[in-house]
Amino acid sequence: GENVEQHPSTLSVQEGDSAVIKCTYSDSASNYFPWYKQELGKRPQLIIDIRSNVGEKKDQRIAVTLNKTAKHFSLHITETQPEDSAVYFCAAHGSSNTGKLIFGQGTTLQVKP
Amino acid sequence: EAGVAQSPRYKIIEKRQSVAFWCNPISGHATLYWYQQILGQGPKLLIQFQNNGVVDDSQLPKDRFSAERLKGVDSTLKIQPAKLEDSAVYLCASSLLAGGNTDTQYFGPGTRLTVL
Repeated sequence: GENVEQHPSTLSVQEGDSAVIKCTYSDSASNYFPWYKQELGKRPQLIIDIRSNVGEKKDQRIAVTLNKTAKHFSLHITETQPEDSAVYFCAAHGSSNTGKLIFGQGTTLQVKP
Repeated sequence: EAGVAQSPRYKIIEKRQSVAFWCNPISGHATLYWYQQILGQGPKLLIQFQNNGVVDDSQLPKDRFSAERLKGVDSTLKIQPAKLEDSAVYLCASSLLAGGNTDTQYFGPGTRLTVL
């Protein structure tokens, strides 16, 4: 079935360093890949997304890359700040014609000041 | 614009009891989703509505879970009877478009259910 694998499960970096989170997906028909940030006890919030017709997208300190051939995509956060500390989820749009998202297991990012 | 609203925020029940959650999506959003998020895991879709019709309930445990979206706006998710493994956060999300879209999904704050 449809599956999204996310690594690492936890990531600790020093403030100012970069952080990279990687995801792989199983459904070659997937064409939409959002990333959500979830702070403790709060709702998931979309931070960036990418569609299959582009290979890279950037928004200030956040960038996402997509390799459709290898079926993997990555989130890159540069110049990390303590407020970037949260759980990050990747997701892939399933092949069903419904908008269904398949989420990864999440990465807990800790940015140490 | 107002976000997705959910209530209650927290619920504690004993196993075999019943519980219901309510969701009010963003005004005008055609598609509504219910997700289950078990601690330490990503959200898992339970059911998806487009307007007031179900388009995906393949992962809904239909022997105990039910959901409806009357009039294509608010939705309720019910569990009857609850099991210990139902302890999770139940997230509601909505998106503007209908019909197999890859539109942004906006999440509500969730209802944290604890089954004792």
